[in-house]
Amino acid sequence: GAGVSQTPSNKVTEKGKYVELRCDPISGHTALYWYRQSLGQGPEFLIYFQGTGAADDSGLPNDRFFAVRPEGSVSTLKIQRTERGDSAVYLCASSLVGDNEQFFGPGTRLTVL
Amino acid sequence: KQEVTQIPAALSVPEGENLVLNCSFTDSAIYNLQWFRQDPGKGLTSLLLIQSSQREQTSGRLNASLDKSSGRSTLYIAASQPGDSATYLCAVSPVNNNDMRFGAGTRLTVKP
Repeated sequence: GAGVSQTPSNKVTEKGKYVELRCDPISGHTALYWYRQSLGQGPEFLIYFQGTGAADDSGLPNDRFFAVRPEGSVSTLKIQRTERGDSAVYLCASSLVGDNEQFFGPGTRLTVL
Repeated sequence: KQEVTQIPAALSVPEGENLVLNCSFTDSAIYNLQWFRQDPGKGLTSLLLIQSSQREQTSGRLNASLDKSSGRSTLYIAASQPGDSATYLCAVSPVNNNDMRFGAGTRLTVKP
């Protein structure tokens, strides 16, 4: 079956703009995670959804970052007033339940000029 | 706060060698530990998942061990091949939340 997909694969924007990053999890996976990976580092946790609700958003760096999952499937990560420091690869993962093996998408590379 | 460290940061070996990648973590209260492979510009591919009650997992030429009490895991790769060249990441999931913590990875190069 299809794996986790993310769109767009690359996004270039200007400082101050608003961006949306999309994640389509594996069908039937109730848990969804967002991570951010900077060059040469491991991914850093941002937010975790169980179903439609954000069960843990402790990793979001500030209130410019927001994520939704209105129907318990597709999720959108939204970044307002982007800054150059937001440039990174944003990874999405899903799993059957919150504690099981996570399967990752290819990521969205965000570049803020 | 859980800290995950991977040593070495980079490793280069000739084809055919057996090798070991190391991962250490500071808080032994983990739910599971997962090893991933990441190719340049790509997402993460899950290699092995070890539950906290397990000591090791094997898949083909890969074997991962877990010593929770000492906060260590190793990934053993037998008979390495050039196609094994990638960055290998370990990640631990804590018991009471979903904040999975990653190491910075070991960048492996297998020379033909």
